[in-house]
Amino acid sequence: QQQVKQSPQSLIVQKGGISIINCAYENTAFDYFPWYQQFPGKGPALLIAIRPDVSEKKEGRFTISFNKSAKQFSLHIMDSQPGDSATYFCAASKEGNEKLTFGTGTRLTIIP
Amino acid sequence: IAGITQAPTSQILAAGRRMTLRCTQDMRHNAMYWYRQDLGLGLRLIHYSNTAGTTGKGEVPDGYSVSRANTDDFPLTLASAVPSQTSVYFCASRPDTGDNYGYTFGSGTRLTVV
Repeated sequence: QQQVKQSPQSLIVQKGGISIINCAYENTAFDYFPWYQQFPGKGPALLIAIRPDVSEKKEGRFTISFNKSAKQFSLHIMDSQPGDSATYFCAASKEGNEKLTFGTGTRLTIIP
Repeated sequence: IAGITQAPTSQILAAGRRMTLRCTQDMRHNAMYWYRQDLGLGLRLIHYSNTAGTTGKGEVPDGYSVSRANTDDFPLTLASAVPSQTSVYFCASRPDTGDNYGYTFGSGTRLTVV
């Protein structure tokens, strides 16, 4: 059972455009929603995270939008750059049980 | 440099052989994890340890075992490797306190079972 569903599987965006990756979760007990960025040959690295008490969190060009009622959250990358080309994973966990459940990943390619 | 060291970086292993993947961290994190990454399936939790001396099963534990004799080391053992265990394996740890539940991942071990 996939508790965190991620889409799309792959995404191509032109340089300067907005990249949007979506995730949906099933477990209403989840209360921590991070995004990880992974470059080839490297381990995933924490990019940005949000808790359900806010609907949006922004760090530089990266924004998480969170919709608690729809059980969905998304990552927006503004002014996408070739250096943003990587695989992105959403994840979720619940307080007291901090094992992360990951989505299946999105391979993002930014073209000039 | 603080972080997680995994060894080996890659390995080709004959089916039926025993293999231990090593993981060492120098951040004094109590919680550690082993994930496997497969294309189209994302990262799936194999085993975890909340503190030295304790371990638990994740989503896909069959065919794997772990031990946690001390805070720094968390080895993953494949007792008798099978081709379906071909994957990239990541070790991770998490800080105990603060608002940041962010994991620190190692660089992974690419294992091919033939």
